[in-house]
Amino acid sequence: KAGVTQTPRYLIKTRGQQVTLSCSPISGHRSVSWYQQTPGQGLQFLFEYFSETQRNKGNFPGRFSGRQFSNSRSEMNVSTLELGDSALYLCASSLYGTDTQYFGPGTRLTVL
Amino acid sequence: DQQVKQNSPSLSVQEGRISILNCDYTNSMFDYFLWYKKYPAEGPTFLISISSIKDKNEDGRFTVFLNKSAKHLSLHIVPSQPGDSAVYFCAASAVQAAGNKLTFGGGTRVLVKP
Repeated sequence: KAGVTQTPRYLIKTRGQQVTLSCSPISGHRSVSWYQQTPGQGLQFLFEYFSETQRNKGNFPGRFSGRQFSNSRSEMNVSTLELGDSALYLCASSLYGTDTQYFGPGTRLTVL
Repeated sequence: DQQVKQNSPSLSVQEGRISILNCDYTNSMFDYFLWYKKYPAEGPTFLISISSIKDKNEDGRFTVFLNKSAKHLSLHIVPSQPGDSAVYFCAASAVQAAGNKLTFGGGTRVLVKP
């Protein structure tokens, strides 16, 4: 089976812009979660989607949003980018009802 | 409030010897624990997991031990190989909670010396 894929792998934006990141889960996986990794805060949970519904949300401002499509693919959006949003954004997928999450390679976002 | 802690930021071990990584948690609702390995600029790779109904789980060179009363888990890698050099994260979740949410420790950087 193909693993979790994320596009793009690298992105450079300027402050105030918005960005959309994409994630395709492992075939058959219906849950998609997003995480942010920064040197200072480590790996932090953003949100989780299952069957196009957000089931859980971390402690991030409303500028961070996401959605899931009927084919389980997911996108996350960050509006009004700030310098502190520079991070590695990771997507993970899992089967319904299990907790083993499998991660994609991540999208490295740099905000200038 | 760090609910999952890895108190050793780094560990150096000789090839062939045992690597022991430790993790402590505070949230008694956590009932499923995982270890991931991560290389720079890559996503975490799942290694092994354990449910709170068990105290040990083994998969090849990797063994995870869970001590629920102490809220402590450890990962043993035997024998350690140079390719094991990476950052290791422990993570925890509460199965009863709605949705999948992993809480990660800060990571332990392992260096295996040949």
